[in-house]
Amino acid sequence: EAQVTQNPRYLITVTGKKLTVTCSQNMNHEYMSWYRQDPGLGLRQIYYSMNVEVTDKGDVPEGYKVSRKEKRNFPLILESPSPNQTSLYFCASSLGGSGWDQETQYFGPGTRLLVL
Amino acid sequence: KQEVTQIPAALSVPEGENLVLNCSFTDSAIYNLQWFRQDPGKGLTSLLLIQSSQREQTSGRLNASLDKSSGRSTLYIAASQPGDSATYLCAVKGGTGFQKLVFGTGTRLLVSP
Repeated sequence: EAQVTQNPRYLITVTGKKLTVTCSQNMNHEYMSWYRQDPGLGLRQIYYSMNVEVTDKGDVPEGYKVSRKEKRNFPLILESPSPNQTSLYFCASSLGGSGWDQETQYFGPGTRLLVL
Repeated sequence: KQEVTQIPAALSVPEGENLVLNCSFTDSAIYNLQWFRQDPGKGLTSLLLIQSSQREQTSGRLNASLDKSSGRSTLYIAASQPGDSATYLCAVKGGTGFQKLVFGTGTRLLVSP
């Protein structure tokens, strides 16, 4: 089954304790991205990756890092989490390539993070 | 900077009604517009994608229209069912940010039996 998976689905942590949220897709998609969803603000893009070893900032990159060492994986790293990073996080992917403007993005199930 | 607005924020209707959800965007230079459905505690499911050159797309009981020049899209749901209860999000792709989607804040729909 074609899907985007995220782990963990729920996470409670404390300020300053480094954490990683994993994202994996099995569709051989080139493009992957991370969004956060907050009440009243909608979904906002954090980082995106056009392909292996190619990443760039989205609208709200502060406090986050990403890496794209393999095509299927795009982990989101919070080096020193703070309470304002409490949010619902989504990973998304799409095929990429020459038809990028016509593509549907596929989303993972989300990771709910609480930083105390 | 692209901004996407969805009205109403919440909608409650009895089963069987036809309904319209609205989405407006400030920058008409878009590549496409996508409607998603989000169920509580779940991810986003893509419903319809309309290319900038298209006027509408249909899938089953759903019909989405796009008027790029006026910066508007509507999602029409025919003969609503309780299973349609969810939050509906529209998102536009275009301008700077290449593959980035700019989302509205959604319309929360409740269809009562």
